[in-house]
Amino acid sequence: SQQGEEDPQALSIQEGENATMNCSYKTSINNLQWYRQNSGRGLVHLILIRSNEREKHSGRLRVTLDTSKKSSSLLITASRAADTASYFCAPEVSGGSNYKLTFGKGTLLTVNP
Amino acid sequence: GAVVSQHPSRVICKSGTSVKIECRSLDFQATTMFWYRQFPKQSLMLMATSNEGSKATYEQGVEKDKFLINHASLTLSTLTVTSAHPEDSSFYICSARSGTSFDNEQFFGPGTRLTVL
Repeated sequence: SQQGEEDPQALSIQEGENATMNCSYKTSINNLQWYRQNSGRGLVHLILIRSNEREKHSGRLRVTLDTSKKSSSLLITASRAADTASYFCAPEVSGGSNYKLTFGKGTLLTVNP
Repeated sequence: GAVVSQHPSRVICKSGTSVKIECRSLDFQATTMFWYRQFPKQSLMLMATSNEGSKATYEQGVEKDKFLINHASLTLSTLTVTSAHPEDSSFYICSARSGTSFDNEQFFGPGTRLTVL
């Protein structure tokens, strides 16, 4: 399957600590996108990293991509209670004439104040 | 980022009725829209992909006569759940992207919670 698989399934940390979430996938991809979802809400797009990129930053977020290992990581630095959410990685593959994202079960991050 | 809206945000209906959910891209033209469903604490499952003006492409196992998708314009797609039953109760999320090539960001709506009694 081309879907991303996040690890760990759940992560609980204290405010101010860093949080690292990992993602693995199985096929060649065009890019990989990370999303955040608060309980019962839609997904918020965090960052897109292209297959020819190795690292990308956005504010407190740092994403890495290793296409040789088919893996990606999302690092949230200096976490806040508001970062509590589920985080999903979504590899983009070609689906015939369309490009589509498929999702794993996500990592549930809990940041304790 | 770009904004995608969904309406309604929540709907409760009786078994056997049909429900229409609208998805709009508010500040960009969406050449492709996607519909997902999500069960509690589960992943998003892609149901179908639709391009403006053409028929939707359904994922394996998704009944196209049950879930009717219409992508009438570059800013609007609708999902109609026909003859809804309790097992159709779920969180439905639409998504839109602005380009047809790869490396386009995909933006999601806030979701619609459907409860079928």
